[in-house]
Amino acid sequence: NAGVTQTPKFRVLKTGQSMTLLCAQDMNHEYMYWYRQDPGMGLRLIHYSVGEGTTAKGEVPDGYNVSRLKKQNFLLGLESAAPSQTSVYFCASSYSGEYNEQFFGPGTRLTVL
Amino acid sequence: KQEVTQIPAALSVPEGENLVLNCSFTDSAIYNLQWFRQDPGKGLTSLLLIQSSQREQTSGRLNASLDKSSGRSTLYIAASQPGDSATYLCAVRPGRGAAGNKLTFGGGTRVLVKP
Repeated sequence: NAGVTQTPKFRVLKTGQSMTLLCAQDMNHEYMYWYRQDPGMGLRLIHYSVGEGTTAKGEVPDGYNVSRLKKQNFLLGLESAAPSQTSVYFCASSYSGEYNEQFFGPGTRLTVL
Repeated sequence: KQEVTQIPAALSVPEGENLVLNCSFTDSAIYNLQWFRQDPGKGLTSLLLIQSSQREQTSGRLNASLDKSSGRSTLYIAASQPGDSATYLCAVRPGRGAAGNKLTFGGGTRVLVKP
């Protein structure tokens, strides 16, 4: 099993450009999450999904949109990138049950100039 | 609002010494607590998950304790090795009724084990 994978690994954008980050998991997990990690701020939840076709806002959702059209995929979109969105983005997934350990992808390093 | 704190932010020990990493949280109504390891430039690797009903969880040289009433968890790493050098993060999941198993993370403790 590949676990949780993320594409791309690195990306540089100019202010105002758009892009989509893709997360895929092969563990048949119901729940999926997008986090960002910034120095001094720790990991913060952007959006999450509790199942195919559902999404919900996390702690820092502004400027991002998400979609979960298939159970194994969770997409994070930036419609008009801003320098404040320079960060490392992590995707994670988990089962919905009691032993809901979260498994993380390797991350995407995004720089917005 | 739940807040998770990890002190110290950085720790340096000689090889062979036992590591003690602390995690505190302000709201004791948690469902479980998870410890992660993060290597530089990499993602997070889950180490241990402790349910709120458990007092401790063990995996090899790692042992994590949980005192929910006092809002504390401790990760012990026995006989540290240079390969244990990494950042260790703890995260809590809110109690039953909170949707989505969302985690609140601490800021992490950066550990350096010197040969």
